[in-house]
Amino acid sequence: AQTVTQSQPEMSVQEAETVTLSCTYDTSENNYYLFWYKQPPSRQMILVIRQEAYKQQNATENRFSVNFQKAAKSFSLKISDSQLGDTAMYFCASSSSGNTPLVFGKGTRLSVIA
Amino acid sequence: DGGITQSPKYLFRKEGQNVTLSCEQNLNHDAMYWYRQDPGQGLRLIYYSQIVNDFQKGDIAEGYSVSREKKESFPLTVTSAQKNPTAFYLCASSIAGFITDTQYFGPGTRLTVL
Repeated sequence: AQTVTQSQPEMSVQEAETVTLSCTYDTSENNYYLFWYKQPPSRQMILVIRQEAYKQQNATENRFSVNFQKAAKSFSLKISDSQLGDTAMYFCASSSSGNTPLVFGKGTRLSVIA
Repeated sequence: DGGITQSPKYLFRKEGQNVTLSCEQNLNHDAMYWYRQDPGQGLRLIYYSQIVNDFQKGDIAEGYSVSREKKESFPLTVTSAQKNPTAFYLCASSIAGFITDTQYFGPGTRLTVL
């Protein structure tokens, strides 16, 4: 069975600084995909970034990038130039061909401080 | 405007009553999902459906039921057998239910049992 672990329940960062959120996963599959979702106070889940496991190049989306370490089963999210609107819960998730299409971690609550 | 709608936003139920949560999408997606979110627990999968008239149990299906009579609709019934139904419920959809597909989420329904 897949598992996803986020070891940082809460984090904070100063506006304009950089922060990294950690995520580790465990799967026996060779083909899988990894995602970071953001849930702001409105509680609407929004996709931030995704990574295909077969791609060695780390995915980037504007100020968001990942550090994908396949051998270590690590998938961290880096947010550069943090903005107040980045304040949210961030969930790491993994999809593979097992019984559960998408498995989520328990989330990291990020607060961006002015 | 394409998207996923969930209604109602807030729902109150007396113990012993069944209640149905609505989820509708106009994205022409084949696959739909229901998740439950509790504080500190992340998202847990209740049921999912990859095609009309077919659905599979997720990790926490006990006390819940679903139907998929139309492609755009995937209602969730919380039955009186669900021992602790107070939670935030999220509906999602994806193009075809493959592991490559990104899931898109609705705004959620907050269910409170009185």
